[in-house]
Amino acid sequence: KAGVTQTPRYLIKTRGQQVTLSCSPISGHRSVSWYQQTPGQGLQFLFEYFSETQRNKGNFPGRFSGRQFSNSRSEMNVSTLELGDSALYLCASSSSAGGTDTQYFGPGTRLTVL
Amino acid sequence: TQLLEQSPQFLSIQEGENLTVYCNSSSVFSSLQWYRQEPGEGPVLLVTVVTGGEVKKLKRLTFQFGDARKDSSLHITAAQPGDTGLYLCAGRSSNTGKLIFGQGTTLQVKP
Repeated sequence: KAGVTQTPRYLIKTRGQQVTLSCSPISGHRSVSWYQQTPGQGLQFLFEYFSETQRNKGNFPGRFSGRQFSNSRSEMNVSTLELGDSALYLCASSSSAGGTDTQYFGPGTRLTVL
Repeated sequence: TQLLEQSPQFLSIQEGENLTVYCNSSSVFSSLQWYRQEPGEGPVLLVTVVTGGEVKKLKRLTFQFGDARKDSSLHITAAQPGDTGLYLCAGRSSNTGKLIFGQGTTLQVKP
């Protein structure tokens, strides 16, 4: 089975711009979670989608949003980028939502905001 | 806010030494997971512990979940350079179902 894929792998934006990141889960997985990883804060949960519905949300401002499509692919969007949004954004998929099922992480998208 | 405190943050040891990484919280978790992450890659799940007091072994790695399900440890015996990486613990909140990560322990094993 192909693993979780994320595109693009690297992205450079300037303050005030917006960005859309994409995640394709493992085939058959219906749950997709997004995380932000920074050296200072570590890995922080952004949101989880299951069957096109947001099931859980972390403590991030409304500039961070996401969605999931009928084929389970997910996108996250960050509007009005700030310098502090520079981070590695990780997506993880699992077969069910919020349980003890294994989450498989993608390689991440490295976002740099200048 | 549930927090997981991981210690130490950095560890540099010689090949063959033993080490323990700790993960502590004041909150109870329904399960706790340990991941390893290498540069340029996402975290990879090593183990999930669910029952208080549970001990799991994965070759030279021993994982323990505290009796009260608030803390966990990872012990590596006879560390090898291939063990180098970022080790992350993550607890599944009993209340919200969210996965909460510790800050991570960067391990360097020198040959």
